[in-house]
Amino acid sequence: SQTIHQWPATLVQPVGSPLSLECTVEGTSNPNLYWYRQAAGRGLQLLFYSVGIGQISSEVPQNLSASRPQDRQFILSSKKLLLSDSGFYLCAWSVDGVSRGNYGYTFGSGTRLTVV
Amino acid sequence: GIQVEQSPPDLILQEGANSTLRCNFSDSVNNLQWFHQNPWGQLINLFYIPSGTKQNGRLSATTVATERYSLLYISSSQTTDSGVYFCATRVRTSYGKLTFGQGTILTVHP
Repeated sequence: SQTIHQWPATLVQPVGSPLSLECTVEGTSNPNLYWYRQAAGRGLQLLFYSVGIGQISSEVPQNLSASRPQDRQFILSSKKLLLSDSGFYLCAWSVDGVSRGNYGYTFGSGTRLTVV
Repeated sequence: GIQVEQSPPDLILQEGANSTLRCNFSDSVNNLQWFHQNPWGQLINLFYIPSGTKQNGRLSATTVATERYSLLYISSSQTTDSGVYFCATRVRTSYGKLTFGQGTILTVHP
């Protein structure tokens, strides 16, 4: 079965420090991968998505970047965190295509980031 | 881009009551999903329902794509149903990328 792992669960970082959040998927190949951010418990905003290794699309200009070094690994990074980067970050995967038979999203358990 | 509106924004129920949550979307879509976010933040996919009706236990969902809305029904609500319910969708050209509504916060009291 497919599983998605996201860590750490919580993180408190000072302003100006770097960030690295990791997400890995098991049990599937060539998934679409996504990073979402949720602020104040309402509404999810898509930050990045990837349809393959090294292929990253950014949805909104921001202080963050993403990388996909392996098929089932997606990393969210920042060189210098801002207060406004605080939030709940969720990784997700999906597959598309009639042959795969599943168009649903599966989310990781999330990382609650507080920048102080 | 596509607009997704959910109603009501907040809903308070007594255990055992039934409820209907609504999701309106502004464009033709080929993907409509309902999620439940529990108090710990975990998002669980409830239904993938681009059209028609599906049922899973006390929950059911109906999407009328031609009229651009979807409904989530919760029957005999339980305290464990509390949390935030999101619908999300995408247009055909936005490969894989879902747009989420703002959610309905459901609180079920014992």
